[in-house]
Order: sequence, then structure tokens, then C-alpha cells
Amino acid sequence: EVQLVESGGGLVQPGGSLRLSCAASGFIVSDHFMDWVRQAPGKGLEWVGRTRNKPNSYTTEYAASVKGRFTISRDDSKNSLYLQMNSLKTEDTAVYFCARDRGFDFWSGHYMDVWGQGTTVTVSS
Amino acid sequence: DIVMTQSPDSLAVSLGERATINCKSSQSVLYSSNNKNYLAWYQQKPGQPPRLLIYWASTRESGVPDRFSGSGSGTDFTLTISSLQAEDVAVYYCQQYYTTVTFGPGTKVDIK
Repeated sequence: EVQLVESGGGLVQPGGSLRLSCAASGFIVSDHFMDWVRQAPGKGLEWVGRTRNKPNSYTTEYAASVKGRFTISRDDSKNSLYLQMNSLKTEDTAVYFCARDRGFDFWSGHYMDVWGQGTTVTVSS
Repeated sequence: DIVMTQSPDSLAVSLGERATINCKSSQSVLYSSNNKNYLAWYQQKPGQPPRLLIYWASTRESGVPDRFSGSGSGTDFTLTISSLQAEDVAVYYCQQYYTTVTFGPGTKVDIK
């Protein structure tokens, strides 16, 4: 069964750091583009960032709201990806989802076909 | 960034009736070279992650019931549930992937 399981969420003070993990099963993460999407309490979905697959050198891109503060990385040996979040702000409070991206380039498109259940991050003093 | 809007914010439909959700992009998401609309639809039930329903504006994802259909082109798109079932109560989001990714604000569908 294809599955994504996030972990690492919790309560952190403004200015603090947190590292989220996303463990995949049923498919090889290094073959796929992978995305992080977040959802603030009672709000809609916001794309956070993307890591490309191994043939594309695992390059990354980020939403303007998190660029310079968040970093996506991978560990192929664990079939996992990570979201390192630094300089956290109260507005980063959200459920964070990792998702498998169906696409490999502009021509194949970037929509998400497998989602984890999410992990909750609360930034508060 | 491309801004996505949806209408209505919420709607209540009787069981078995049609539900129609609209999505509009601030600029065209139709790429002329391949004639594809870079637009997807997701369903999110309470406490669950989003589920991919439709991509390329009108292609149904495997396993999605055929009562769900997508249409439209350019900047104006529609998700139609032809005969609403109780299990369709959810929030529905459109997403463009023409430039990075942006989502619409969502439309909540309830039973009347």
C-alpha cells in the first residue's frame, strides 16, 4: 500500500526550530517529486515547497512565505523526506502534509496524488 | 502568483441533486503548446488529508466515482457532482499548477 506518514510536529516558541519527517512506504521516494503543503486552523491549503527527484538532483523550491527559513531534504536510505523549519512565526501554525507529486516537469504537471495524514505544528509563546 | 478564487463559499444540496462549484484563476492556466489546462480538484473531508479528484481540469483520478466531473478552460472551471451522496460532504479545493502551485480558498458542500 502506498502511504506517507508525517511526524515531528509539536509546540514551539516563536523564533524556534522544528524538523518534520515524512516516511514513505509502497513506493520509492527518490523516484518522485515530493511536496509539503500546510493548512492553518480552519483555513485552506497553502503550498510550502517541493523537492525534485534524484534525476533532477533533488533541487528544491519554496513559497515566498517560507523561503530562507524552511529547508526540504531527503534520506534515500530511510525512504523519507524532511522539512526543517527555522525562525518560526505564529503564522506558521498549521497542519503540515507531505504529498507525492505526480509530475516530473512542466509538461507532466504538478498535482498531488498521495497525501499523508499530517502533523500539527503550533507556534506560540 | 496566480490567485485562485472559488464560488460559492458554501452550498447545501439535497441528496441526489446536482452540486456545482466554480473556480476562477487570475490568469489563464491553459498552455497553448499542449492545449492542457493546469488545474486540479481535491476533496477534503473533516480530519482527513485532501484527496485528488480531477487533474488537467477534466481527467478523473483512478477510483473517483463518475458522478464527479470537471470542465472549463483558460480561467474558468467547474467541478460538478451530478448526484450528491452523503459521503460527498466535504470541502473542495481547486489548484493551479501552471506556475508553482496555488490553491483556491475552498467550497464547503453540505446536505440540505
